[in-house]
Amino acid sequence: DTEVTQTPKHLVMGMTNKKSLKCEQHMGHRAMYWYKQKAKKPPELMFVYSYEKLSINESVPSRFSPECPNSSLLNLHLHALQPEDSALYLCASSQVKERSGNTIYFGEGSWLTVV
Amino acid sequence: AQSVAQPEDQVNVAEGNPLTVKCTYSVSGNPYLFWYVQYPNRGLQFLLKYITGDNLVKGSYGFEAEFNKSQTSFHLKKPSALVSDSALYFCAVRPFTGGGNKLTFGTGTQLKVEL
Repeated sequence: DTEVTQTPKHLVMGMTNKKSLKCEQHMGHRAMYWYKQKAKKPPELMFVYSYEKLSINESVPSRFSPECPNSSLLNLHLHALQPEDSALYLCASSQVKERSGNTIYFGEGSWLTVV
Repeated sequence: AQSVAQPEDQVNVAEGNPLTVKCTYSVSGNPYLFWYVQYPNRGLQFLLKYITGDNLVKGSYGFEAEFNKSQTSFHLKKPSALVSDSALYFCAVRPFTGGGNKLTFGTGTQLKVEL
């Protein structure tokens, strides 16, 4: 069972709505991630937080806004999305230290449909 | 830059037969290599990883993988396949240094185990 918890599991939103995806982990990890995954495709990295600071933004459109309130929580705020943003959004976490083969652990994901 | 190739989009195996899911990689320096499995409508689940040391790595659910540096491969294997192993499998690589915690995924291989 994954120790990365994501809510909600399913979300349907209109293109003018504002919504948020939430993620929580209690493994003491200090790196947290958002990935986007389309059906049958590999996950695509969106953002990485390291020690609660944004360390990687993979040129994600500003309609996606990440937030890391503390070391256990990660949010993804959504606003003015497009239908092509419909996907599975995966949260993940890991230790930060390099050269240690840190495993990245994924949550079950939030299925987002933009109508 | 690192890359991963999974040459087979789909692998079909009869239950009870051995299975192999192929993965080759390209990375500067030494790699960290990972296998993840994704069951339908679920998140990614960590199976096993190679960091250093023994080239044969054992993981969850009876899976193992063999690291071959000269062939830059990390094939996933299981001696006796189960119908419940049917899922989408992703190989991923991260360089030993300089890559942060950024995983590069292969395109995925759909494993179908039939009775």
